[in-house]
Amino acid sequence: DTEVTQTPKHLVMGMTNKKSLKCEQHMGHRAMYWYKQKAKKPPELMFVYSYEKLSINESVPSRFSPECPNSSLLNLHLHALQPEDSALYLCASSQEGWTRTYEQYFGPGTRLTVT
Amino acid sequence: AQSVAQPEDQVNVAEGNPLTVKCTYSVSGNPYLFWYVQYPNRGLQFLLKYITGDNLVKGSYGFEAEFNKSQTSFHLKKPSALVSDSALYFCAVRDMPSSNTGKLIFGQGTTLQVKP
Repeated sequence: DTEVTQTPKHLVMGMTNKKSLKCEQHMGHRAMYWYKQKAKKPPELMFVYSYEKLSINESVPSRFSPECPNSSLLNLHLHALQPEDSALYLCASSQEGWTRTYEQYFGPGTRLTVT
Repeated sequence: AQSVAQPEDQVNVAEGNPLTVKCTYSVSGNPYLFWYVQYPNRGLQFLLKYITGDNLVKGSYGFEAEFNKSQTSFHLKKPSALVSDSALYFCAVRDMPSSNTGKLIFGQGTTLQVKP
């Protein structure tokens, strides 16, 4: 099973709202990623968690706050977003460490619209 | 710094014909290379990878890719295209392969259109 699930599929929020995106995988992967993708563009890395610790933050604005409660779950908390934050948010996971296989598996994404 | 280039924004091919989607890379050290496909309103699906070994790598859905070190290329190929192969294709290279977390550097993407 190479499935990464993301909820919700679609989200519309106002600029003053607080919402969260959720990602889950049960492949035993110990690295998890958040990406932002605009239409027909490559994904842009936002955050990487390795063994539940934040290892990479690509200078993402503080209105995006990641959280990794356990090795299977990854959340992205959203607050006071701007219309330009509207995008497809993708979660991914990969098998890292000594048994790493290197490829990342992506979820279907959450389509976020900020009004 | 690692980088990947996909020189074609779009590739058009007739169904049943062979297809090639081009990718070139620039890395320091040995490259770890990947191809992903993205269908409309979906996430990226892993197709294949080259880490080491045979230069011809076979992947999902009948796709294969040829690693060419002298030309620094990793072109995606399929002998006979299907209309259902129409999608956006991304080539990627792993940044800092020896690190414990694999940041991917993506190319700009190539839209493949297969016409019946």
